Amino acid sequence: DTAVSQTPKYLVTQMGNDKSIKCEQNLGHDTMYWYKQDSKKFLKIMFSYNNKELIINETVPNRFSPKSPDKAHLNLHINSLELGDSAVYFCASSRDQYNEQFFGPGTRLTVL
Amino acid sequence: AQKVTQAQTEISVVEKEDVTLDCVYETRDTTYYLFWYKQPPSGELVFLIRRNSFDEQNEISGRYSWNFQKSTSSFNFTITASQVVDSAVYFCALSELGAGSYQLTFGKGTKLSVIP
Repeated sequence: DTAVSQTPKYLVTQMGNDKSIKCEQNLGHDTMYWYKQDSKKFLKIMFSYNNKELIINETVPNRFSPKSPDKAHLNLHINSLELGDSAVYFCASSRDQYNEQFFGPGTRLTVL
Repeated sequence: AQKVTQAQTEISVVEKEDVTLDCVYETRDTTYYLFWYKQPPSGELVFLIRRNSFDEQNEISGRYSWNFQKSTSSFNFTITASQVVDSAVYFCALSELGAGSYQLTFGKGTKLSVIP
């Protein structure tokens, strides 16, 4: 069984659309994250979510919003997509904020 | 200033050579954590190692070894007898307390190519 899964793996959409990426972990972890990896492979944290507490990276536009229906899921909603949003988005989870994070396979988002 | 510096952008070695990937970090915290991740061409991120700031023991795992030196703020990664399957981008990362929780900051990565 995949520990951290994301759907879809690929997402191609038009500028201005709203889209969601789903993430699920079956590790029983308490903390989940979203990262963005740009075309130069630079990985940057967007959000972390621990016990219903959301920590937001201040550089993330408010068009991005994480939603956690339960401890095993952290979905990413993006409104009014822009060209610059094209990237690979990774979900991750960890037992707590001090331990190693396990990453999902990534979602490659292409905005046309 | 970068919190995690991986000065080597790309490295190429011939199979069976040893290679060291450098990582220098910057933090004012006394408690922090260091990590290495591997990202092969298939794209997934694979956890390799975690070290806390109070544990300076070097670690060896098969052909992989890590040298943590607080005096130079470095956490270097050595692959012995490299293999083609080691070709990947390797990321060093620092976790320190910020904005109320520990946040992981990645270096820009070192792309390692192992040539057969």
